[in-house]
Amino acid sequence: ETGVTQTPRHLVMGMTNKKSLKCEQHLGHNAMYWYKQSAKKPLELMFVYNFKEQTENNSVPSRFSPECPNSSHLFLHLHTLQPEDSALYLCASSPDGRIPVLNFGNGTRLTVT
Amino acid sequence: QQQVKQSPQSLIVQKGGISIINCAYENTAFDYFPWYQQFPGKGPALLIAIRPDVSEKKEGRFTISFNKSAKQFSLHIMDSQPGDSATYFCAAFTMRFGAGTRLTVKP
Repeated sequence: ETGVTQTPRHLVMGMTNKKSLKCEQHLGHNAMYWYKQSAKKPLELMFVYNFKEQTENNSVPSRFSPECPNSSHLFLHLHTLQPEDSALYLCASSPDGRIPVLNFGNGTRLTVT
Repeated sequence: QQQVKQSPQSLIVQKGGISIINCAYENTAFDYFPWYQQFPGKGPALLIAIRPDVSEKKEGRFTISFNKSAKQFSLHIMDSQPGDSATYFCAAFTMRFGAGTRLTVKP
């Protein structure tokens, strides 16, 4: 196990639904990340949280809303998604935002119908 | 903007051969250059990393070569095995990744 757990592993949702992705890390890390992995694109960094504060938002559409209630948990709230948002969403953690050693979860495979 | 450019996109190697994947970066402020390995259905996992004060780092069959003047670094997999078949990503300090290289090692 990587120490980073993502749930659910698979999610199918309609464009009008609201759902949330959950990430939990048991490594004592202080930085957490959301990445999007599509079939024909590089890993895209979406959001970065360092000590619960959002430090980076890479021009992500507002239909994606992150939440980091504490250093161990990270959520990605989804609403009114588009089919092109279908992808693998990966959560990662690192000791802090300065140490670039990432531990990834196994991702949530999202399909938007 | 893509800060790390990776090549090739895909690579097929015979068992026992050498696999070579290259990355070029732009920002000279980067000071940590990791490679990640991803198997289907799994998230990427750190494989090996190097800092720019050394030109080469070796861990088992995996070697990173670093050329600071050319702003390039590469991953060499010696004696490639079918179990090495995966997607490999280089990354830069700012947590941004290259486009990935899908490696297939044929038995």
